Amino acid sequence: GQQVMQIPQYQHVQEGEDFTTYCNSSTTLSNIQWYKQRPGGHPVFLIQLVKSGEVKKQKRLTFQFGEAKKNSSLHITATQTTDVGTYFCAGHRSGNTPLVFGKGTRLSVIA
Amino acid sequence: DSGVTQTPKHLITATGQRVTLRCSPRSGDLSVYWYQQSLDQGLQFLIQYYNGEERAKGNILERFSAQQFPDLHSELNLSSLELGDSALYFCASSVGPSTVAKNIQYFGAGTRLSVL
Repeated sequence: GQQVMQIPQYQHVQEGEDFTTYCNSSTTLSNIQWYKQRPGGHPVFLIQLVKSGEVKKQKRLTFQFGEAKKNSSLHITATQTTDVGTYFCAGHRSGNTPLVFGKGTRLSVIA
Repeated sequence: DSGVTQTPKHLITATGQRVTLRCSPRSGDLSVYWYQQSLDQGLQFLIQYYNGEERAKGNILERFSAQQFPDLHSELNLSSLELGDSALYFCASSVGPSTVAKNIQYFGAGTRLSVL
């Protein structure tokens, strides 16, 4: 079945350093979504990418969707302690198939 | 606040027992999804309902069942509970599933189930 692999599983960074998490699918995706889960919280939708090669920015966060629509990345510039949490990517094979989540990347930021 | 309500927040029970988790979706959302999140694990998709009908099934055990009622709230029933069923259970809702844009999911705060 469709799998979405996410690396790294954990990342510890010094505050102010950059951070990137990568998401790879075994099949072409119709879209990719990113969610953030704070410690003790629930996943919160961040963004959705639909087009091949699409790049979107939200302040210090940059999201990319690969040309082949099989991979995606989330890059955070100059991390802050508020960025702590687990970042999940998730994708649909098509609009009517269930969303498949990666296992997430847990980010720790050391002040 | 996502607008998705899950009750109870915490549930402690014994092995062999049966529990029911409840979810009220956001106003206007027709799809409800159930996920299981164990320690250090990602979100395991269990099942999806759309407007009262089962839409998709994931890794849901036969001991687990769910339904969505006419008022669109959903219940997840877990029976013959085992220690390994201890986890955080999330419900999410979306407008969907007719288009990709309508599949953005809004998660509830979750129910933490502890099986002792």
